[in-house]
Amino acid sequence: GQNIDQPTEMTATEGAIVQINCTYQTSGFNGLFWYQQHAGEAPTFLSYNVLDGLEEKGRFSSFLSRSKGYSYLLLKELQMKDSASYLCAVHGYYVRGSSNTGKLIFGQGTTLQVKP
Amino acid sequence: DSGVTQTPKHLITATGQRVTLRCSPRSGDLSVYWYQQSLDQGLQFLIQYYNGEERAKGNILERFSAQQFPDLHSELNLSSLELGDSALYFCASSPRPTSILSGNTIYFGEGSWLTVV
Repeated sequence: GQNIDQPTEMTATEGAIVQINCTYQTSGFNGLFWYQQHAGEAPTFLSYNVLDGLEEKGRFSSFLSRSKGYSYLLLKELQMKDSASYLCAVHGYYVRGSSNTGKLIFGQGTTLQVKP
Repeated sequence: DSGVTQTPKHLITATGQRVTLRCSPRSGDLSVYWYQQSLDQGLQFLIQYYNGEERAKGNILERFSAQQFPDLHSELNLSSLELGDSALYFCASSPRPTSILSGNTIYFGEGSWLTVV
């Protein structure tokens, strides 16, 4: 099975840097996603990591350590519009014929509040 | 606009009824995922299809069923509805199931708000 943990809430100040951690346990690993979701809206894709290391995309970076089952999302130069939920999701490895594998499972999300 | 289309956007129905939610994936996408998100809850994985075949199954209730048609659109059928089924139902699509080689992005539709009264 798959299990994902991330903090429930975080608060940060506009212009600052915040790191949102995600730890996971999975029987097979096929990549880790980070999504941003504003209340009542669709999740929007931020990043995808499948190999160890850091992926940078503008103000957002995501890091993965497969051996530690750990990832983080780093948000720099925080803006008020970054206030949202940040979802960590792990894609399990698909085994042909087994519908209990290959799932894309989301964590509960981290609600980030950016204050002026 | 992600290119994933879901209908209806909003639906209010009574307990015991049956509804069908429809999803059209992005052009060319073969994989479709369905998720349920209750108020203040995370995304709960329901089921995934790839090119018409069931690929992965989550905690989908027996009262719920889904299918993916030859034209790749998908429908989620919810029957014997209960108050607790009130939620936002998301459909997502990707070109193919993610893999270490393909590294796909999965795009979400705007969701269908279901209210059971």
